[in-house]
Amino acid sequence: EAGVAQSPRYKIIEKRQSVAFWCNPISGHATLYWYQQILGQGPKLLIQFQNNGVVDDSQLPKDRFSAERLKGVDSTLKIQPAKLEDSAVYLCASSLLGQSNQPQHFGDGTRLSIL
Amino acid sequence: DAKTTQPPSMDCAEGRAANLPCNHSTISGNEYVYWYRQIHSQGPQYIIHGLKNNETNEMASLIITEDRKSSTLILPHATLRDTAVYYCIPRGSNDYKLSFGAGTTVTVRA
Repeated sequence: EAGVAQSPRYKIIEKRQSVAFWCNPISGHATLYWYQQILGQGPKLLIQFQNNGVVDDSQLPKDRFSAERLKGVDSTLKIQPAKLEDSAVYLCASSLLGQSNQPQHFGDGTRLSIL
Repeated sequence: DAKTTQPPSMDCAEGRAANLPCNHSTISGNEYVYWYRQIHSQGPQYIIHGLKNNETNEMASLIITEDRKSSTLILPHATLRDTAVYYCIPRGSNDYKLSFGAGTTVTVRA
């Protein structure tokens, strides 16, 4: 079974520029999550999708971050404009239906550095 | 969310069993206990989860105390590739997200 695919693996941009990350979840997984992991901390949820609908985006800084999952499969997370504090690893995860007894499976993330 | 307490770090000898404790004394009856690990430069990897009964899979065993206030993850034969940060995470029926704490940094030494 193929895992969660993310690209790019690394990205370096200057502050105020824009950037986009892509995620392809495990086949058949209806629930998709984006997490942010700042160096030295555990991952924190940004947004959760169930199919192509948003379940929770309460922790997403909506003035600069946006995410979509138009066809209910792959997803894109965008930052515009980027700030220095956005330097982090952006992790995508998926699970079958998002229930508490179903594990989430993570990709290896995109490491974003803001200069 | 239930709070967890894990030792910040542990050393383990290669080939020996590694027993990783987690205290979750405020866990509620419908919260599962999940264990993940994160190897350097990789995403978190699911290991195992349980509700009340002990669980075993190809990676590890999970022992949950009868009162469910604590659990132990057992890696039966640690290898150098098991060096990672291990997270114990309670997750209830209303918690679709995973709330990661600081975890335990496990170093397996040859």
